[in-house]
Amino acid sequence: DAGITQSPRHKVTETGTPVTLRCHQTENHRYMYWYRQDPGHGLRLIHYSYGVKDTDKGEVSDGYSVSRSKTEDFLLTLESATSSQTSVYFCAITPGRTSSYNEQFFGPGTRLTVL
Amino acid sequence: GQNIDQPTEMTATEGAIVQINCTYQTSGFNGLFWYQQHAGEAPTFLSYNVLDGLEEKGRFSSFLSRSKGYSYLLLKELQMKDSASYLCAVNTGFQKLVFGTGTRLLVSP
Repeated sequence: DAGITQSPRHKVTETGTPVTLRCHQTENHRYMYWYRQDPGHGLRLIHYSYGVKDTDKGEVSDGYSVSRSKTEDFLLTLESATSSQTSVYFCAITPGRTSSYNEQFFGPGTRLTVL
Repeated sequence: GQNIDQPTEMTATEGAIVQINCTYQTSGFNGLFWYQQHAGEAPTFLSYNVLDGLEEKGRFSSFLSRSKGYSYLLLKELQMKDSASYLCAVNTGFQKLVFGTGTRLLVSP
């Protein structure tokens, strides 16, 4: 399972509140990603990171920020949650040189509901 | 722009063969992935194609034609556990994946 955990696994919050989702990996992988998955849209990239303090925006980054102060943790923050951010959030890693294909491995997901 | 098209839903019978098509138009291409996703779970890697042709892996095969922007996933000897969504994804460069919306496959007895 590439040693990826996400917390919390489920969260219900109210519009306007800040929310932080955590992705933690135990195998020192350099590349990490945050996606959201919604019916009719598939998986869409929010932000990604190529290393500590090296992050960049993906396709749907508005309303989200990220931080990576340690290799093992990639945090996704919704500064002021909106109902449109109700979704399932997946973290992913790419093993890089240890993989033949550079495929991405996904964490178990966080189901976020914004009321 | 990025566009990846897959059928929304397919049905098949246990023991049969099913082909799930994927067409893509992306700004870059560094390979195409297929993932399987069971309801409520994370996607899991199935196959990868970067060169034209067929890659076979047990009951699953994947084909790529870069000139046509086309791939398919072939599932043989279908089992009930193959009921899931199948996601086509293109690596557009620097390991950034663009996903299709997925094909939900229902296998019936």
